[in-house]
Amino acid sequence: DGGITQSPKYLFRKEGQNVTLSCEQNLNHDAMYWYRQDPGQGLRLIYYSQIVNDFQKGDIAEGYSVSREKKESFPLTVTSAQKNPTAFYLCASRPDRDTGELFFGEGSRLTVL
Amino acid sequence: KQEVTQIPAALSVPEGENLVLNCSFTDSAIYNLQWFRQDPGKGLTSLLLIQSSQREQTSGRLNASLDKSSGRSTLYIAASQPGDSATYLCAVRIGDGGATNKLIFGTGTLLAVQP
Repeated sequence: DGGITQSPKYLFRKEGQNVTLSCEQNLNHDAMYWYRQDPGQGLRLIYYSQIVNDFQKGDIAEGYSVSREKKESFPLTVTSAQKNPTAFYLCASRPDRDTGELFFGEGSRLTVL
Repeated sequence: KQEVTQIPAALSVPEGENLVLNCSFTDSAIYNLQWFRQDPGKGLTSLLLIQSSQREQTSGRLNASLDKSSGRSTLYIAASQPGDSATYLCAVRIGDGGATNKLIFGTGTLLAVQP
C-alpha cells in the first residue's frame, strides 16, 4: 500500500547526541515536509523540500538539518544544538508542490533524557 | 501575520448528535483550507480540502464550509459516533499556490463522543 513511513516511532536520546528520524514515501510525491508538534501548540514547520536536492528552512529550523537525495526519502537530523528537542515529529508529503492535499506519516516521538 | 484559531478547544457530546467545529483565520487571502483528524499519538489524517474558490466539500457524514470574506470554516459532523472521538485540526495554505506557500495550523478541537 502507498503511504508515508516514519521510523522509529519512539526514540530516546541523551543530551548532546544527534539523532536522525527517517521519512520514506512511496506515493511519488514531489514535496515533503517536517513538522514539530508540542502540546497546546499548532504544528510548526521545520524544513520542507519541493524537489530532490533542494530544501528550505521553515519557521523553526535552528538545531535541525535535512537532506533530499532521493525523491522518496527526507530524513531529519535533530542536532545537539536544538535546545528543546523533546517533541512529536511529523513528516508529510504533497503530490504537487503547488496544490493538493497534505498527507502525513504516523509520527516519531523523541524524548531527550 | 496569518493566525488560525479553533474554538472550542474541547467538546463532549452524546452519541448521535450533530455537531459543528469552528475554524477562523485572520487573513482572507488563503489558497485553500484543509481539515484533519488526529488520534492520540498518531499522525494526521486528511478529511477534506476546500480550495479558495469553493464554498463547501462533503465526504460521508462530514461537511466542511468555507467563507473567506469572514475568515471562517466549519466542519459539520452528522450523527456522531464514539469512533469520531479525536482531535480535529484545520490548516490554511497562504499565498498563491507557488513553491513557497505555507500551511498554518490551528491548535485543534478535542472531540469526545459519549456512547
